[in-house]
Amino acid sequence: EAGVAQSPRYKIIEKRQSVAFWCNPISGHATLYWYQQILGQGPKLLIQFQNNGVVDDSQLPKDRFSAERLKGVDSTLKIQPAKLEDSAVYLCASSLGSVARQETQYFGPGTRLLVL
Amino acid sequence: QKEVEQNSGPLSVPEGAIASLNCTYSDRGSQSFFWYRQYSGKSPELIMSIYSNGDKEDGRFTAQLNKASQYVSLLIRDSQPSDSATYLCAVNLGYTGNQFYFGTGTSLTVIP
Repeated sequence: EAGVAQSPRYKIIEKRQSVAFWCNPISGHATLYWYQQILGQGPKLLIQFQNNGVVDDSQLPKDRFSAERLKGVDSTLKIQPAKLEDSAVYLCASSLGSVARQETQYFGPGTRLLVL
Repeated sequence: QKEVEQNSGPLSVPEGAIASLNCTYSDRGSQSFFWYRQYSGKSPELIMSIYSNGDKEDGRFTAQLNKASQYVSLLIRDSQPSDSATYLCAVNLGYTGNQFYFGTGTSLTVIP
């Protein structure tokens, strides 16, 4: 079974530019998560989708970040305009989206963003 | 406030020793608990999950959960240099849908 796919793997941009990341979850997984992981910190949830609906975006900086999952499968995360402090690894994860408590999420390889 | 706290370390143990990693969480309603291993420059990899009080063993790894004390730990027996990584503790609140929270991670170095 294929894992969570992400692209690009690396991106270097200048501040005030825009950037987009793509994620394709594990087949059949209804829940998709975008995390930001700054060096030396744990992953911080940016947005969580259940199918194509947003479950939680309370920590998404909505003035510059946006995300969509139009068909309930793959998703894009966009930053416009980027700031220096956005330099981080952006992790996509997915889980079945069941109501069972034994829900487990699986991570993609991440996109490493450097803003200069 | 939903927090997951870990000692950031670094924790160093000699090869063959037992490494003990600890995690506390603030939300008493938390339903499930996870340990992820993250090598430098890589994404988190699930190594253990635990849902009930007590111990759960998987090979050299043992997860321990004490919901009364809001405490979860990971023991790594016969530590190997390849175990050197950051270990992330994660909690799923799970009572209003899936809500995962991560600690900042503990850096483990196994010295040959």
